[in-house]
Amino acid sequence: GESVGLHLPTLSVQEGDNSIINCAYSNSASDYFIWYKQESGKGPQFIIDIRSNMDKRQGQRVTVLLNKTVKHLSLQIAATQPGDSAVYFCAEIVPGGAAGNKLTFGGGTRVLVKP
Amino acid sequence: NAGVTQTPKFRILKIGQSMTLQCAQDMNHNYMYWYRQDPGMGLKLIYYSVGAGITDKGEVPNGYNVSRSTTEDFPLRLELAAPSQTSVYFCASNLQPPGGISYNSPLHFGNGTRLTVT
Repeated sequence: GESVGLHLPTLSVQEGDNSIINCAYSNSASDYFIWYKQESGKGPQFIIDIRSNMDKRQGQRVTVLLNKTVKHLSLQIAATQPGDSAVYFCAEIVPGGAAGNKLTFGGGTRVLVKP
Repeated sequence: NAGVTQTPKFRILKIGQSMTLQCAQDMNHNYMYWYRQDPGMGLKLIYYSVGAGITDKGEVPNGYNVSRSTTEDFPLRLELAAPSQTSVYFCASNLQPPGGISYNSPLHFGNGTRLTVT
């Protein structure tokens, strides 16, 4: 598959442990955040999203936390499995009014699950 | 549904050559996008389209052209390939209400085209 990120930060996790992936954003006007998962050789896949009027949202085995005070977003994966090995991207949307909303992707974090 | 289909998967071009990256979606999405992904970097928007016959520039449009003659297809054209265009290209689509990105309509991505220009 493609070398998505040769110099990405990497998180090594033991199978069964919880993973926490962090993302900092810079625009305080961002009002919507999305986490994507990208497996080798594939395009990004939607995992979970959160609006800025929330500070926590849970999905299946995943939880997204939003701290607007410090402009920080995290993705927690419970009981990490080998299939969770991938690159994870956060994305933010800044409302743009008449100019349209702007979607910006972060640089990504590689998660490696050790058996 | 096949989702978003991109062809080819891999391509090597010589400097100055041209090529078209194909993208098709069968979800009747009105919005389509082209992104490039460089190693260690996030996705950068090249061009996007809000519907057939309508396209607009994204963040990094120089060196590329697009067309949207049908809802399903959104090809990306490189006229004079340069080494700086070596990248992985992703096409995406979603179903948006008029006026902007739908908060409940995440992007659906294809599996990418890896392009090397030498």
